[in-house]
Amino acid sequence: SSELTQDPAVSVALGQTVTITCQGPSLRNYFATWCQQKPGQAPIVVIFGNTNRPSGIPDRFSGSRSGSTASLTITGAQAEDEADYYCSSRDSSFSRVVFGGGTKVTVL
Amino acid sequence: QVQLVESGGGVVQPGRSLRLSCAASGFTFSSFAMHWVRQAPGKGLEWVSFTLYDGSNNYYADSVKGRFTISRDNSKNMLYLQMDSLGVEDTAVYYCVCSQSNWYTIGYWGQGALVTVSS
Repeated sequence: SSELTQDPAVSVALGQTVTITCQGPSLRNYFATWCQQKPGQAPIVVIFGNTNRPSGIPDRFSGSRSGSTASLTITGAQAEDEADYYCSSRDSSFSRVVFGGGTKVTVL
Repeated sequence: QVQLVESGGGVVQPGRSLRLSCAASGFTFSSFAMHWVRQAPGKGLEWVSFTLYDGSNNYYADSVKGRFTISRDNSKNMLYLQMDSLGVEDTAVYYCVCSQSNWYTIGYWGQGALVTVSS
């Protein structure tokens, strides 16, 4: 079982805003990373360090953290944003990376 | 630009061994921790192992501890994963991943190498 908890699926109308959350005790003290994975492709990082967007990632992607919950927001979702999104961080006690179970985002 | 290219995947019988390699380029390989992450068919991402920037310490998921060995050659910009005593539960796409800013923050992913364990 994952130590980071995500909702399995969420849907959003084209052009609307959707927020995906990731909950876990380690997020209170350690940074969250968000990765996007489209079918048949390797994941890519869309947010790191809770709020930072890598170069080349559209600014409709944003991240935040409050307490033990990290969030990824897509403002004005596009059809190409339909994908699985995974959060990751480190374990609270041990030197290992932990992933959330992933959230499938469907753009209607 | 950062490139991570895995090789060595394939079909292997249960109980046998396989070695994955990852060729890194486009960044200072010797400065970053490196990870292996896998994804079983239709499943989510599972962290497997990581090695510190200089290879001085290695860490493993409980599911592979004692069977898998991570290593790196900073002179060749190469990362390896030696997988022994493979079981059907090890069937997955294995991704080479580099860190950024700290050891647990994921930076870039390779395209993945498929390992199928089947008799």
